[in-house]
Amino acid sequence: GQQVMQIPQYQHVQEGEDFTTYCNSSTTLSNIQWYKQRPGGHPVFLIQLVKSGEVKKQKRLTFQFGEAKKNSSLHITATQTTDVGTYFCAAKNAGNNRKLIWGLGTSLAVNP
Amino acid sequence: NAGVTQTPKFRVLKTGQSMTLLCAQDMNHEYMYWYRQDPGMGLRLIHYSVGEGTTAKGEVPDGYNVSRLKKQNFLLGLESAAPSQTSVYFCASSSHDRGPEQYFGPGTRLTVT
Repeated sequence: GQQVMQIPQYQHVQEGEDFTTYCNSSTTLSNIQWYKQRPGGHPVFLIQLVKSGEVKKQKRLTFQFGEAKKNSSLHITATQTTDVGTYFCAAKNAGNNRKLIWGLGTSLAVNP
Repeated sequence: NAGVTQTPKFRVLKTGQSMTLLCAQDMNHEYMYWYRQDPGMGLRLIHYSVGEGTTAKGEVPDGYNVSRLKKQNFLLGLESAAPSQTSVYFCASSSHDRGPEQYFGPGTRLTVT
């Protein structure tokens, strides 16, 4: 079935370093959503990308949707300790758009 | 607005016991979801509902039942708990036409011994 692969699974960075997580699919995605889950918390919606080649920014976070709409990335510039958590991508299920297909997430640890 | 609430927050069950997890949302959302989250497994959909009185199976429905008698509530039942159901359970809701995002509750941490 439809799958969304997310890499890396874990990343440790020093505060101030950049961080990127990638989401890949073998099939064309209609859109992709990104969520953040703080340790002990629940997933919180960050953004949705819909258009081919779309780039959106939220302060130090940059989200991209690939030209072929088969991949997406989240890049954090100059990480801070507040960025710690797990970042998930999720795509609409092609066969049932009421459901999301979730990546396994990338856990980010930031050393102060 | 309270958003999405879940009760209880924590629960310990013995194998074979039953329980019901309650999810409530005050955003008038049509869609509601139950997920379980286990280390390294991400979020897996158990059951979902697209409206009052309707439910459907997700990826991992076995051992669980759900009901949505009122639009704002979505109940998840475990009839005979097993240690494999030890997990964190999240409820989420979303709107049919007011934005793509799913809003999550704070989660229920369930341990089955």
